[in-house]
Amino acid sequence: KAGVTQTPRYLIKTRGQQVTLSCSPISGHRSVSWYQQTPGQGLQFLFEYFSETQRNKGNFPGRFSGRQFSNSRSEMNVSTLELGDSALYLCASSLLRQGTYNEQFFGPGTRLTVL
Amino acid sequence: GENVEQHPSTLSVQEGDSAVIKCTYSDSASNYFPWYKQELGKRPQLIIDIRSNVGEKKDQRIAVTLNKTAKHFSLHITETQPEDSAVYFCAASIRGKTSYDKVIFGPGTSLSVIP
Repeated sequence: KAGVTQTPRYLIKTRGQQVTLSCSPISGHRSVSWYQQTPGQGLQFLFEYFSETQRNKGNFPGRFSGRQFSNSRSEMNVSTLELGDSALYLCASSLLRQGTYNEQFFGPGTRLTVL
Repeated sequence: GENVEQHPSTLSVQEGDSAVIKCTYSDSASNYFPWYKQELGKRPQLIIDIRSNVGEKKDQRIAVTLNKTAKHFSLHITETQPEDSAVYFCAASIRGKTSYDKVIFGPGTSLSVIP
């Protein structure tokens, strides 16, 4: 099976712009989570989607939003970019079968630089 | 809100020695504790996990222990090798009837194994 893929891999934007990142989960995986990774802050949970519904959200401002499509692909949008949004954005998918503990499989990430 | 603390933030050991990384979590409802390894420039990958009904789990040179009363869990790596050098993340997750995923990660431990 193909792994989790993310596009684009690298992105440079300026303050005030908006950006959309894309994540394609492993085939059959219906849960997609997004994380922001910065040096010293580790992996900060953004949100989790399952069957096109956002079920969990981390402590990020409303400028960060996402959605999931019927094929489980997910997009994340950041509006009005700030310098502090520069980070590696990782998505992770999991099978999420009822009653089991599911491993999250991470994508390679999108490196966002805000100038 | 949920929080996972992780110590130490950096750890250097001589090849062949043991390494121990400790984590604490705040939400007593957490029942699944995965550990991820992230090598430089690569995505995080699951190396071992433990569920709340288990006190210890071993897989070759790595082991995890869980103390639910104290809300502590630890990763032990024995006979360390240079290829163990990476950033290690602990995490805590709540798996409930709805089977949703909200994984809270610790800030990470950068492990260096000196040959």
